[in-house]
Amino acid sequence: DTAVSQTPKYLVTQMGNDKSIKCEQNLGHDTMYWYKQDSKKFLKIMFSYNNKELIINETVPNRFSPKSPDKAHLNLHINSLELGDSAVYFCASSRYSGGADNEQFFGPGTRLTVL
Amino acid sequence: RKEVEQDPGPFNVPEGATVAFNCTYSNSASQSFFWYRQDCRKEPKLLMSVYSSGNEDGRFTAQLNRASQYISLLIRDSKLSDSATYLCVVRHSGTYKYIFGTGTRLKVLA
Repeated sequence: DTAVSQTPKYLVTQMGNDKSIKCEQNLGHDTMYWYKQDSKKFLKIMFSYNNKELIINETVPNRFSPKSPDKAHLNLHINSLELGDSAVYFCASSRYSGGADNEQFFGPGTRLTVL
Repeated sequence: RKEVEQDPGPFNVPEGATVAFNCTYSNSASQSFFWYRQDCRKEPKLLMSVYSSGNEDGRFTAQLNRASQYISLLIRDSKLSDSATYLCVVRHSGTYKYIFGTGTRLKVLA
């Protein structure tokens, strides 16, 4: 009954490789997000999709490409991995509404280490 | 200047103490406010939403001051299990974007 799940949980890879992270939510939410949390623990938004449409695209290198095949899934593909990409990547989802009760639910995170 | 600012701490307090954190935000269009809790090597989880009139959940009280653009979190009777990083989160009106503060680290000591 996991609400937001991510795979893999850990990813160790060499510089220059290409890797993907997958996220799925079973909450029926219409909006999904990717965040990066670096070594200083700052949680920074990268991308967001609403109903499969890209709505947030922060200043992220174009080596990062998100893809949302449907409302329940959001994947992140990273090309030509660099040392600075090492971080924890969190997926999150929410139900968009004008109200104040639209909290985000986070996945457990993918800890990426680039060697 | 960051859009959402918090004192990083750490706040080291004895069990049973009362501790308060503040968070300031710079955008007056901010509409929704939250406190999240993040344990070491875990994902952030919602602690409580913050409502205009202030709200309480057990030992936790959240307040919003729109005029001064800050929100606060008060924890009474601290427990060892309250040790975590507390993240202030703000969402602007009409946007999907949630902006996180850098977090305030709390350590409750036995």
